[in-house]
Amino acid sequence: DGGITQSPKYLFRKEGQNVTLSCEQNLNHDAMYWYRQDPGQGLRLIYYSQIVNDFQKGDIAEGYSVSREKKESFPLTVTSAQKNPTAFYLCASSFPSKPQHFGDGTRLSIL
Amino acid sequence: AQKVTQAQTEISVVEKEDVTLDCVYETRDTTYYLFWYKQPPSGELVFLIRRNSFDEQNEISGRYSWNFQKSTSSFNFTITASQVVDSAVYFCALSEAGGGFKTIFGAGTRLFVKA
Repeated sequence: DGGITQSPKYLFRKEGQNVTLSCEQNLNHDAMYWYRQDPGQGLRLIYYSQIVNDFQKGDIAEGYSVSREKKESFPLTVTSAQKNPTAFYLCASSFPSKPQHFGDGTRLSIL
Repeated sequence: AQKVTQAQTEISVVEKEDVTLDCVYETRDTTYYLFWYKQPPSGELVFLIRRNSFDEQNEISGRYSWNFQKSTSSFNFTITASQVVDSAVYFCALSEAGGGFKTIFGAGTRLFVKA
């Protein structure tokens, strides 16, 4: 089945540690997105990518990094510079201007 | 600047009541797309509707209807005869063609439908 897969479902980070969230899609979508959702809040855009080897910062990119080496994959690294990383992270993909398909999300917590 | 405002943080209704969720957007682009998504308690986001900036026709899908008015930069969502299963967080989103289809979301409206 076509879809978008995020892993892991739960992730714990120690102080000073970088962690990477995985996002893979087999929908042949050109665009991929990372959002952060805090309890009771909306989705805030971290990074997005329209094509392979290109990506743009969203509204809250500080403390995060991404890569887009393959069309199917858009991993997000939460660096130690992100001082408040505890949140629900959602990855999405789409064709340009079309509805986004979302993964099931990754919950990141601090140990 | 690209912005989506959902002023209603939470709405509580009794089953069978009609409810309207407001969405106001800001954009400088002439070509843009508006979306509504539903996030039930399980957490996954479900797409409901997409509208482009050149199509102001209102749409009805079963108990759901959408009112798009460019004059007021609004894209409101009405649920008729609400049901308990409609309880969820609803997000309005805006994607600008000129911005490489960067998509931003409003803060969401949490809808509680009581039996």
